[in-house]
Amino acid sequence: QLVLTQSPSASASLGASVRLTCTLSSGHSSYAIAWHQQQPDKGPRYLMKLNSDGSHSKGDGIPDRFSGSSSGAERYLTISSLQSEDEADYYCQTWGTGIQVFGGGTKLTVL
Amino acid sequence: EVQLVESGGGLVQPGGSLRLSCAASGFTFTSYSMIWVRQAPGKGLEWVSYISSSSSTIYYADSVKGRFTISRDNAKTSLYLHMNSLRAEDTAVYYCARPPQRGGGYWGQGTLVTVSS
Repeated sequence: QLVLTQSPSASASLGASVRLTCTLSSGHSSYAIAWHQQQPDKGPRYLMKLNSDGSHSKGDGIPDRFSGSSSGAERYLTISSLQSEDEADYYCQTWGTGIQVFGGGTKLTVL
Repeated sequence: EVQLVESGGGLVQPGGSLRLSCAASGFTFTSYSMIWVRQAPGKGLEWVSYISSSSSTIYYADSVKGRFTISRDNAKTSLYLHMNSLRAEDTAVYYCARPPQRGGGYWGQGTLVTVSS
């Protein structure tokens, strides 16, 4: 079964870096994913598509502070030089035949 | 600029029906599959349905199978979601989205559906 697992919460200080993790279920380590950001009381915003080899393609206007990387079944979103507006929920998404799957989301708090 | 604009949400009684629309612009609509995603109050994102560019392939989440119908009109660059037999647990903001598999993802601003008596 295709499942994405995310930690419910994360925190980091203003100006620091943070790495969020999305883990693919067993047998699905070759799958690409996408990362999305949802700021408070707003709709989701596409950040990037991230492949299993770590290559990624970002959405329109996404700053260089946002980057992606991969290791095995884990997909990472790294945000550097954290700003207050980065405080948001972050969701990963993947897809297979007949299905689209979202992770449970990680709530990022910027201290 | 890609734009996805949903409409049709509102208050409906349990057992009722509603049709959501999504007007797409800024990209070649006929070349892309589309999806509906919903978000219940205070909850995460839940995929609802998928339709291929030609409407030849359609999928539904188990939670809506048999009650919801996805469709599209490529001539009008529009996506639809017909929702029947609505339940309280269908209350959510419904988003139209272009999935990220090819050429990047895009989201609409969402439309709120409230199922309540």
